Amino acid sequence: DAGVIQSPRHEVTEMGQEVTLRCKPISGHNSLFWYRQTMMRGLELLIYFNNNVPIDDSGMPEDRFSAKMPNASFSTLKIQPSEPRDSAVYFCASSPELAGTSTDTQYFGPGTRLTVL
Amino acid sequence: GQNIDQPTEMTATEGAIVQINCTYQTSGFNGLFWYQQHAGEAPTFLSYNVLDGLEEKGRFSSFLSRSKGYSYLLLKELQMKDSASYLCAVRDRDYQLIWGAGTKLIIKP
Repeated sequence: DAGVIQSPRHEVTEMGQEVTLRCKPISGHNSLFWYRQTMMRGLELLIYFNNNVPIDDSGMPEDRFSAKMPNASFSTLKIQPSEPRDSAVYFCASSPELAGTSTDTQYFGPGTRLTVL
Repeated sequence: GQNIDQPTEMTATEGAIVQINCTYQTSGFNGLFWYQQHAGEAPTFLSYNVLDGLEEKGRFSSFLSRSKGYSYLLLKELQMKDSASYLCAVRDRDYQLIWGAGTKLIIKP
């Protein structure tokens, strides 16, 4: 399996521009998670989906952030308009179950390093 | 609120043993995870504990005491490649993963 795929790997943009991050989860996984990681705040869960449905978006910082999962193999995280404080590494992770009794760990993609100037 | 505490940074010597502690206060408990994250890379799964006791996996072991809200990750025969951040995460009663800030482990020759 190719693992979780994210694109782009690096993104540099100017303040006010729209940014779209993409994620392809591992085939067969039912849950998908978007995280943001910075030195100051560590790893923060932004939103997660189960069977393509958003379950909890309480971690989304504000209305400038939106996420979609139109099908089981694709998700996007959009920031519009972007601001310098959005600079971070954004990880997508997938899991075979949302809350199974097994050790359903999360598998992380390589991340997108976003820099907003 | 929910809280996970782990040391910010630790230093150890190649070939030695190091123990990274994690204490947690969460709304319920449905398992504790340890992840390893090398600089510039994604976190990768190391271990999972849901019952009290020690889980051993090669050079790495993880211990859990649910009554004390405490876990540790034990790394033996340290190698330079073990230099990384180690993240403790607890799954709460709603099956949400609550993450610690991570412990940066520096290995010296």
